[in-house]
Amino acid sequence: DGGITQSPKYLFRKEGQNVTLSCEQNLNHDAMYWYRQDPGQGLRLIYYSQIVNDFQKGDIAEGYSVSREKKESFPLTVTSAQKNPTAFYLCASSIGTAYGYTFGSGTRLTVV
Amino acid sequence: GENVEQHPSTLSVQEGDSAVIKCTYSDSASNYFPWYKQELGKRPQLIIDIRSNVGEKKDQRIAVTLNKTAKHFSLHITETQPEDSAVYFCAASMGGANSKLTFGKGITLSVRP
Repeated sequence: DGGITQSPKYLFRKEGQNVTLSCEQNLNHDAMYWYRQDPGQGLRLIYYSQIVNDFQKGDIAEGYSVSREKKESFPLTVTSAQKNPTAFYLCASSIGTAYGYTFGSGTRLTVV
Repeated sequence: GENVEQHPSTLSVQEGDSAVIKCTYSDSASNYFPWYKQELGKRPQLIIDIRSNVGEKKDQRIAVTLNKTAKHFSLHITETQPEDSAVYFCAASMGGANSKLTFGKGITLSVRP
């Protein structure tokens, strides 16, 4: 799927539950990113990682957590502390900081 | 931090006409400017990019121009087709350690048949 795979495509969770979104890439990219997309809001950065075992908060990190134990994988956990978690989540990767991103196909999370 | 703005939020053109989408950025240190196209329900895809040492870049019907003095860059689409209808995002990055792309909010382009 273009070298970067997100799963599942659709996810439903009850309010108060933590949920983990998967992102795997086989492009040998060092950098990986998580964005949240809401209608009219564009792409807002949640977390990013430029190297294994290191990551930085983006603009809207509150209520989210990540890990980067392997170069290929950058899972995102949406915790119960996230006030409005229902959204479309996009993972991306790139060779470096000033290069284009390759996006995954996204996970649509609905919390009821 | 960097701030990227796109105006207007929607644009409608007649098939065959040209479309121009403009973005402004705030940080003069930004040196990489990509454009992404996102069709409904799909992932954003890189369609063209430009670096600060170049003023213009073309790829078939699309082109991007950069004005570093005014801190704006534009996407030009000629001979528009219905399949060009999508949301277009611009972005900017300074490169370097801990740098990342800052995206505009997107513009919805509609091409009327």
